[in-house]
Amino acid sequence: DIQMTQSPSSLSASVGDRVTITCQASQDIRNYLNWYQQQPGKAPKLLIYDASTLETGVPSRFSGSGSGTDFTLTISNLQPEDFATYYCQQFDNPLLTFGGGTKVDIK
Amino acid sequence: EVQLVESGGGLVKPGGSLRLSCAVSGFTFSSYSMNWVRQAPGKALEWVSSISSTDDYIYYADSVRGRFTISRDNAKNALYLQMNSLRADDTAVYYCARDPGNWDPQRLDCWGQGTLVTVSS
Repeated sequence: DIQMTQSPSSLSASVGDRVTITCQASQDIRNYLNWYQQQPGKAPKLLIYDASTLETGVPSRFSGSGSGTDFTLTISNLQPEDFATYYCQQFDNPLLTFGGGTKVDIK
Repeated sequence: EVQLVESGGGLVKPGGSLRLSCAVSGFTFSSYSMNWVRQAPGKALEWVSSISSTDDYIYYADSVRGRFTISRDNAKNALYLQMNSLRADDTAVYYCARDPGNWDPQRLDCWGQGTLVTVSS
């Protein structure tokens, strides 16, 4: 299986900050990487697919980059509704795997 | 409006069985692959299983292979997960999720609200 490692596991930030979350795959996954946001007690929501394509309806302050083994999710101008947990997920192998999550909370 | 509604969760003893269902509406179910994803309390998401639109491609996580069976009924717009030989570490909220991919699982673009499965004596 492909292991996905996210860092940091948690971070504190303020409204208006720029936040960067990284995700590293245990092997080359090309650009087969998605990002999700999960609010407490809610189902996950797809934010970005194919490493850098914004899902319909997702604000443009979210962006993704990377290929191969190293990927980044950036949130510019952090908004109150962005405080949540974020997960990366690979689909290069049909046995999907998620990262361990990054919790973004209020400083 | 796209809707996915899971049901069938509950409390079951170790070694027992449970069948989860996911009723969908608002989209052409037979055109989408579907997945089950679970989340143990306070833990990360864990993908469980995937089934393609016409049942040709089915995959399972190593942790459930041989114990869980995914299936679908396109006439009823329903997805199922038969869970046998349940263990305490199967305790989780189980989500069904839609996947626009045709064969192998790709991205999960719509999710249900989840159903809680608790395995305990």
